Amino acid sequence: EIVLTQSPGTLSLSPGERASLSCRASQAFSSSYLAWYQQRPGQAPRLLIYAASSRATGIPDRFSGSASGTDFTLTISRLEPEDFAVYYCQQCGFSPFTFGQGTRVEI
Amino acid sequence: QVQLQESGPGLVQPSETLSLTCAVSGFSISNGYYWAWIRQPPGKGLEWIGSSYHSETTYSNPSLKSRVAISLDTSKNQFSLSLTSVTAADTAMYYCARRIVMAGNWAFDIWGQGTKVTVSS
Repeated sequence: EIVLTQSPGTLSLSPGERASLSCRASQAFSSSYLAWYQQRPGQAPRLLIYAASSRATGIPDRFSGSASGTDFTLTISRLEPEDFAVYYCQQCGFSPFTFGQGTRVEI
Repeated sequence: QVQLQESGPGLVQPSETLSLTCAVSGFSISNGYYWAWIRQPPGKGLEWIGSSYHSETTYSNPSLKSRVAISLDTSKNQFSLSLTSVTAADTAMYYCARRIVMAGNWAFDIWGQGTKVTVSS
């Protein structure tokens, strides 16, 4: 089973600031299988990024993703009020399809 | 526009079977892709339960051992989850989702709004 470890657990920032979220995998896999999701309170997760760096349909360009070996990063260039949420990374290439434990971005 | 909607009982007795259905609109499930169930215990993270493709190919999380069954009903354009011998640890929000491939890249692109299930007597 591929374990994904997200850090930090919580990120406290202000609107307009830059957020950098990390996701580290326990073993290497193709970046084609790495996705990021946003979950706002009381809502279902929403796909933000797939293939480590491709934005899903309708996702603003302030969201970007990158990969380096087993390290994946989600960057939000300038935080908007609606971006304060929990973010999960997931590998969806190898069963079981595992999620990281999440990073909460709070004001 | 593709939409998924979960339905099922909100309360299940311990040791009973949890049964949920996900109705799909805007896309025919017989056209392919994997159809999945994911759950989220209260205040916790996401756990993939299992996925099915054309009902002949089903993957499930080993952590749930042999308690999981996922089936597709193409005539009703919906798919279902059955989880047997439930305990309080199965209390969670249950989501259905679509797992797609885009030029060799995989993701869960469409999610239902979720249905809350409590296991309690």
